[in-house]
Amino acid sequence: DAKTTQPTSMDCAEGRAANLPCNHSTISGNEYVYWYRQIHSQGPQYIIHGLKNNETNEMASLIITEDRKSSTLILPHATLRDTAVYYCIVRSFKTSGSRLTFGEGTQLTVNP
Amino acid sequence: DSGVTQTPKHLITATGQRVTLRCSPRSGDLSVYWYQQSLDQGLQFLIQYYNGEERAKGNILERFSAQQFPDLHSELNLSSLELGDSALYFCASSGANSQDIQYFGAGTRLSVL
Repeated sequence: DAKTTQPTSMDCAEGRAANLPCNHSTISGNEYVYWYRQIHSQGPQYIIHGLKNNETNEMASLIITEDRKSSTLILPHATLRDTAVYYCIVRSFKTSGSRLTFGEGTQLTVNP
Repeated sequence: DSGVTQTPKHLITATGQRVTLRCSPRSGDLSVYWYQQSLDQGLQFLIQYYNGEERAKGNILERFSAQQFPDLHSELNLSSLELGDSALYFCASSGANSQDIQYFGAGTRLSVL
């Protein structure tokens, strides 16, 4: 799986958009970008994933650059409950099967 | 609620003992995964079962073993426990599609004293 680089921590004001970057410059053509989050020792929670097109669901938007070397997770209106560690994972079923390889992630703190 | 159920929520035991952690996957999910999260190692994949068969192995110690039963629930057995085995153990499940999302349980917190 391609290596990912995320900032260690970020802050965001409640009600504002939170933009979490992820660098995956060695991503290969069959690798997807997944985002999960973990709220204080709870089980990780799936947020969104994509291959090359931008994706949006009820939780967030995922913007992947045209060269696919980086992506941004956008939480449009962050709330205090969005405070969590956010993990960007690049994964190819072909090379790694179904396992998820978690890095250090980004600690997002949403402030009132 | 992810639909994945793990029991017990907390487990306190002594070194040298053996414990069993249980996981019930989401209805219809054939794959079960086990992950360990300790303070110094982060979230690490241990093992995956698919429809009763071992599918993939990660950083799982020989003292640890798992199985998946015909009703698709899974158990993770940890034996000869050491202080360093204290961690959160998460189970996840997914469907048959290769892109399938993994849904995680709330975890079992194991404390080895």
